[in-house]
Amino acid sequence: DAGVTQSPTHLIKTRGQQVTLRCSPKSGHDTVSWYQQALGQGPQFIFQYYEEEERQRGNFPDRFSGHQFPNYSSELNVNALLLGDSALYLCASSLVRGQETQYFGPGTRLLVL
Amino acid sequence: QKEVEQDPGPLSVPEGAIVSLNCTYSNSAFQYFMWYRQYSRKGPELLMYTYSSGNKEDGRFTAQVDKSSKYISLFIRDSQPSDSATYLCAMSAPGNTGKLIFGQGTTLQVKP
Repeated sequence: DAGVTQSPTHLIKTRGQQVTLRCSPKSGHDTVSWYQQALGQGPQFIFQYYEEEERQRGNFPDRFSGHQFPNYSSELNVNALLLGDSALYLCASSLVRGQETQYFGPGTRLLVL
Repeated sequence: QKEVEQDPGPLSVPEGAIVSLNCTYSNSAFQYFMWYRQYSRKGPELLMYTYSSGNKEDGRFTAQVDKSSKYISLFIRDSQPSDSATYLCAMSAPGNTGKLIFGQGTTLQVKP
């Protein structure tokens, strides 16, 4: 049984560019959440998707957007990249009933130069 | 003030020691409490999940929640070098369980 998978594993971009990160949830899960983890910090909630809609959003600007597909996989898009967007981006999957138990993928490490 | 406070350490102990990791929080609405383990350059791995107050044991790991003090703990017995990692506490409130609020993480090193 595959766990949560994310792609790519690493990414280098320059300021002002746009990036798309991808996530496939654990088999049987229908809800995907995205988190940003800066170096030495705990993950911060960006947003959550269920039934292809954004259900909740954390304190992140509109430059951060997402999408969920009918197969429950998800994308995180970040526009107009800033140096401060450099971080580990984590995807977590869960069941809509039981969202408190979230299972994380390995993350995508984004470096903005 | 952060909603969840966690001493970042680092914490260094000899193999076989009992380790105590702690978090405090300010939001009395939190009812779900989790501990995650994160190895270097990896995603967090769910270790323990507790609802409301009380203790929960799983092998060498024990999670405790004291809601009256807004304080949670994770104890690791007979610590092993393979336990060396960053430990993150996380919590959420009913009606908002999808949004996990994390502590900063405590880095633990278990020396052989």
